Amino acid sequence: NAGVTQTPKFQVLKTGQSMTLQCAQDMNHEYMSWYRQDPGMGLRLIHYSVGAGITDQGEVPNGYNVSRSTTEDFPLRLLSAAPSQTSVYFCASSTSGLPPYEQYFGPGTRLTVT
Amino acid sequence: QQPVQSPQAVILREGEDAVINCSSSKALYSVHWYRQKHGEAPVFLMILLKGGEQKGHEKISASFNEKKQQSSLYLTASQLSYSGTYFCGTALMKTSYDKVIFGPGTSLSVIP
Repeated sequence: NAGVTQTPKFQVLKTGQSMTLQCAQDMNHEYMSWYRQDPGMGLRLIHYSVGAGITDQGEVPNGYNVSRSTTEDFPLRLLSAAPSQTSVYFCASSTSGLPPYEQYFGPGTRLTVT
Repeated sequence: QQPVQSPQAVILREGEDAVINCSSSKALYSVHWYRQKHGEAPVFLMILLKGGEQKGHEKISASFNEKKQQSSLYLTASQLSYSGTYFCGTALMKTSYDKVIFGPGTSLSVIP
């Protein structure tokens, strides 16, 4: 199993550009989530999904969109990149626990917006 | 809703013990502990549920005081490999639509 994979590993965007961060898992996990990590701020939840077709907002959803058409994939779309979105983005997945139990994190995408 | 962690940072010598605390102003259903080494992804350590259930991978112990909405992670006989940032995450409701919110982290350095 590859676990949770994220692409790209690094990305530089100009202000106003849009892009999609890809996340995929091969563990048949129903629960998936996106976090951003800034120095001193810990992990902040952006969006999460409890299954295909179901998504919800986390702590900091503004400026980001998600969709979940399959169990395996959970892409995160930046609509119009801003310097404040410079961060490391982590995708995670978990079995469908109540609440989600062990979350497996991907290696992260380091995004810089200039 | 973000939990509070203390201390912010701690430095230990190998073999020493440490306690990392996590607290919330809201009633918690679960507390989740993760460790992140520099440049790597967070790794699951333990989950503690209201009612006493615990699940974890390593020989690290933790407690969950449901009355005080506090959890503590106990690191005993520390090893160099324990170095990293420890995050606690909390979930408020026993539903599959809930979310795990993480605290700002506690940086732990173990020196020889």
